[in-house]
Amino acid sequence: DTAVSQTPKYLVTQMGNDKSIKCEQNLGHDTMYWYKQDSKKFLKIMFSYNNKELIINETVPNRFSPKSPDKAHLNLHINSLELGDSAVYFCASSQRTGGDTGELFFGEGSRLTVL
Amino acid sequence: GESVGLHLPTLSVQEGDNSIINCAYSNSASDYFIWYKQESGKGPQFIIDIRSNMDKRQGQRVTVLLNKTVKHLSLQIAATQPGDSAVYFCAENQAGTALIFGKGTTLSVSS
Repeated sequence: DTAVSQTPKYLVTQMGNDKSIKCEQNLGHDTMYWYKQDSKKFLKIMFSYNNKELIINETVPNRFSPKSPDKAHLNLHINSLELGDSAVYFCASSQRTGGDTGELFFGEGSRLTVL
Repeated sequence: GESVGLHLPTLSVQEGDNSIINCAYSNSASDYFIWYKQESGKGPQFIIDIRSNMDKRQGQRVTVLLNKTVKHLSLQIAATQPGDSAVYFCAENQAGTALIFGKGTTLSVSS
């Protein structure tokens, strides 16, 4: 069983389109994240949700809208896609304890290519 | 900011050698650090972590060293194997935020 699974693994689309990436974790964790990894492999936090509530939003354009229907799911919807959105998007989860993030468990990534 | 010269984007070693990957972190208030390994086409995987009240922690073939004075973290891999080839990231936990990742180091192991 995959602990953190995200779909689709690959996504190729035209500029201006709207697309979604889905993420599910079966670890029973309270906190989920979206990270963006650019072509230079730099990993940057985008969002964090704890028990369905947004706790971190790192100056991401409002074309990006995360949605958490329950604590096991965190989906990412992107409107009006731009060339610069091309990247690999990673979902992750953790069992936060106190102020610590704790170990993050990552999905396999979703490679988005905007043409 | 990062200490110039400590971070190497790539490291090439021979199989059986010991590898040392360095990382400079940014926030002196960070109290929890993790090393991750990312293989091609996969998500980052946990290797080892360390809290700020420690300066050394050992795992299987890996050791993490923490120097809070200069905000430096290192990962030592003993007897490096071809399967260790990957991108390695250090990450720091700043209270109230998510894990912040440093620049990765690509380790290439030749046999």
